[in-house]
Amino acid sequence: GDSVTQMEGPVTLSEEAFLTINCTYTATGYPSLFWYVQYPGEGLQLLLKATKADDKGSNKGFEATYRKETTSFHLEKGSVQVSDSAVYFCALSHSGGGADGLTFGKGTHLIIQP
Amino acid sequence: GAVVSQHPSRVICKSGTSVKIECRSLDFQATTMFWYRQFPKKSLMLMATSNEGSKATYEQGVEKDKFLINHASLTLSTLTVTSAHPEDSSFYICSARKGEKNEQFFGPGTRLTVL
Repeated sequence: GDSVTQMEGPVTLSEEAFLTINCTYTATGYPSLFWYVQYPGEGLQLLLKATKADDKGSNKGFEATYRKETTSFHLEKGSVQVSDSAVYFCALSHSGGGADGLTFGKGTHLIIQP
Repeated sequence: GAVVSQHPSRVICKSGTSVKIECRSLDFQATTMFWYRQFPKKSLMLMATSNEGSKATYEQGVEKDKFLINHASLTLSTLTVTSAHPEDSSFYICSARKGEKNEQFFGPGTRLTVL
């Protein structure tokens, strides 16, 4: 079956540091890939997505590129802020917009220190 | 926006009792809602897909008689954990699919503790 593997946290960085959170997947066919973010006390929010190979999703300074050859969708940001502290989930779906149930990674807790 | 609420946010119950969790889409109609379960340090696991006016579709390994799902209206789905036991203690999260965006919007989750 489908699975998503992402780096375990917590990841602690200083403000303005470069961020990479690794995500790899196993799935049949050509899934759509997503990053969700969960701030304390809130529900998961879609951060970005990519629906086909070589697509780059981007939002709020975050980027991730769908790499089919390495089955990866690593999340990056050039300069993190304290407000980026949250839990980040990588996920996949076999429907383009996430219309079907999602398969999630375990989540990576990101802590940004001033 | 698209807001999804869950009630209660936290519930503690005794073993053997049943607990109902509500998931509501507050500002849109959702023909499809999803229920997930999250164990500590584990990923969210899809339990079932809830379709308004029809029976829920359960994922393999999820007991449909234990986790009863009702999607009686376009804004409400309920998950009832029947005869709860300590191993049912978990964080339950729902999401609702918004039609035109074909995107899922998540509720804040419900923490269930069974004593």
